[in-house]
Amino acid sequence: GNSVTQMEGPVTLSEEAFLTINCTYTATGYPSLFWYVQYPGEGLQLLLKATKADDKGSNKGFEATYRKETTSFHLEKGSVQVSDSAVYFCALSRLGETGGSYIPTFGRGTSLIVHP
Amino acid sequence: EPEVTQTPSHQVTQMGQEVILRCVPISNHLYFYWYRQILGQKVEFLVSFYNNEISEKSEIFDDQFSVERPDGSNFTLKIRSTKLEDSAMYFCASSRDGIPNSPLHFGNGTRLTVT
Repeated sequence: GNSVTQMEGPVTLSEEAFLTINCTYTATGYPSLFWYVQYPGEGLQLLLKATKADDKGSNKGFEATYRKETTSFHLEKGSVQVSDSAVYFCALSRLGETGGSYIPTFGRGTSLIVHP
Repeated sequence: EPEVTQTPSHQVTQMGQEVILRCVPISNHLYFYWYRQILGQKVEFLVSFYNNEISEKSEIFDDQFSVERPDGSNFTLKIRSTKLEDSAMYFCASSRDGIPNSPLHFGNGTRLTVT
């Protein structure tokens, strides 16, 4: 079936460090891929997306490239800030069983903690 | 920017009771969803809703659960005869359309605690 696998957290970094959060997916066809972020006490919000192979999604200094050959969509940021502390979810969009709509499927989430 | 709102933010109920979780999706969105997240686990799909009917549901969404859009703005999840294992954060989401690259807009969630 369709699924995403994320690296286990928490990831703990110092401010200005380089961030990578790994995500690999299993899917039939070519799903759209997403990263969502959840700040404490809030719901998930879209961070970036990519809809086809070799697309790069980017937002707020974060970026991820859709790699079909490795079925990956790793999240990276060159210099993290304390305010980036949150839980990050990788997701893919799959067609539902009845074909009625596309359903985002989420990974377990990876907690990022950034220290000053 | 318009947002999805959920009420209440925290609901405590006794085992066996019925609860209704409420959501107001973004007004021009057509697809509505419920997800849940048990503490420390992944965000799980429960159900999607379009054109006043369920379009997809997961195996979690059994007869204990139901959804309704009672008017033009609210979208509710009813859980009958709650069990301890129903304790989780429940998220409502909406999207403008159901196409593959259309992102979901989530509410802040309702934390359900069953005692």
